[in-house]
Amino acid sequence: KNQVEQSPQSLIILEGKNCTLQCNYTVSPFSNLRWYKQDTGRGPVSLTIMTFSENTKSNGRYTATLDADTKQSSLHITASQLSDSASYICVVSAFSGGYNKLIFGAGTRLAVHP
Amino acid sequence: DGGITQSPKYLFRKEGQNVTLSCEQNLNHDAMYWYRQDPGQGLRLIYYSQIVNDFQKGDIAEGYSVSREKKESFPLTVTSAQKNPTAFYLCASSIARAPNEKLFFGSGTQLSVL
Repeated sequence: KNQVEQSPQSLIILEGKNCTLQCNYTVSPFSNLRWYKQDTGRGPVSLTIMTFSENTKSNGRYTATLDADTKQSSLHITASQLSDSASYICVVSAFSGGYNKLIFGAGTRLAVHP
Repeated sequence: DGGITQSPKYLFRKEGQNVTLSCEQNLNHDAMYWYRQDPGQGLRLIYYSQIVNDFQKGDIAEGYSVSREKKESFPLTVTSAQKNPTAFYLCASSIARAPNEKLFFGSGTQLSVL
């Protein structure tokens, strides 16, 4: 069964601190992995995409990693800001026979406190 | 929200009533999607459409219906057959249903039962 599990479920950090969010997946056949940021009461917005051959990709203060062997990804946030408070969703794409299926994790809810 | 407009922001349904959620996009995207988001769960696909006048059931289509008469519009009707409709509904679009597709989401509609 295709699954995406994220940890922790929720996280509280102080402004300026770093944090790392985890995503483990059992999806086959793996195509790519995206991280989305979802502000409360809004729709998710894509932060970055990781394909099979990529290990690390940065987008400003966000750095995503992918280990295709262990089927794990992480999202590292550096020097957190209050505006980073949101849910972060890991989405894995399985593409086979012309059919693309997206499997969503439940998300990690991050709260950044002053 | 990348050119996708959902309305209304909040909607209340009485028992036995059908309600329709609106989704309009001006991104000239071919593919459009409806997802349901429940607390603590990943997004689940209700319906999707890859082209005008064609749509396919997703993982949880029972109790819902859609139409795609125009490229820009993909309304979702929550029928009285959907016994547990309370959720946050997200509409999304992409250029095409492809391996590396990036979804653009609307701001969502919160549906509650009176």
